[in-house]
Amino acid sequence: EPEVTQTPSHQVTQMGQEVILRCVPISNHLYFYWYRQILGQKVEFLVSFYNNEISEKSEIFDDQFSVERPDGSNFTLKIRSTKLEDSAMYFCASSPLMGGETQYFGPGTRLLVL
Amino acid sequence: QKEVEQNSGPLSVPEGAIASLNCTYSDRGSQSFFWYRQYSGKSPELIMSIYSNGDKEDGRFTAQLNKASQYVSLLIRDSQPSDSATYLCAVNVGGGADGLTFGKGTHLIIQP
Repeated sequence: EPEVTQTPSHQVTQMGQEVILRCVPISNHLYFYWYRQILGQKVEFLVSFYNNEISEKSEIFDDQFSVERPDGSNFTLKIRSTKLEDSAMYFCASSPLMGGETQYFGPGTRLLVL
Repeated sequence: QKEVEQNSGPLSVPEGAIASLNCTYSDRGSQSFFWYRQYSGKSPELIMSIYSNGDKEDGRFTAQLNKASQYVSLLIRDSQPSDSATYLCAVNVGGGADGLTFGKGTHLIIQP
């Protein structure tokens, strides 16, 4: 069964450093998403991406965040200058054009900013 | 403001019994509703989706939607210890590329 994959599974970085989180969505899916979950809190939407552009973004997705689909398979989230409060689990999700809006989540990247 | 509310629990249910999980949402324009299961340290795993009023059954799971009351529920029949997890209610307002709004989740414990 096709799955969303994410790398790395864990990342530790110093405050102020740039990080890139990578995702490979399910191959025939057309909508891509990033979410984050701070420890003990709810899953929060960051951004959605369709047809090579951002479709929707939340208030959390400020200028320090960017997304890109550099090739036909990868979907990346870049955090330019990490802050302590960026420590969270980051989930990538994808959904097909057909079949409604069901979103399938990857295993996540646990980011720790020191 | 999109809000999804769930009782955080824990909800403790004996093995073999029915677990009932509830969720309310604030945006009357919401179109799609989802239940995800999340084990500790893991990602959300889709259990059920529901789009229209009424009941939808899939195996031991039944989702119920009442748009007039802005209420979604999930019933788990014949609860198993492996069902112990946090259950997340998620709502999509506009469809398509809209992000999901999640509740905080209900922690379910199935007692053997």
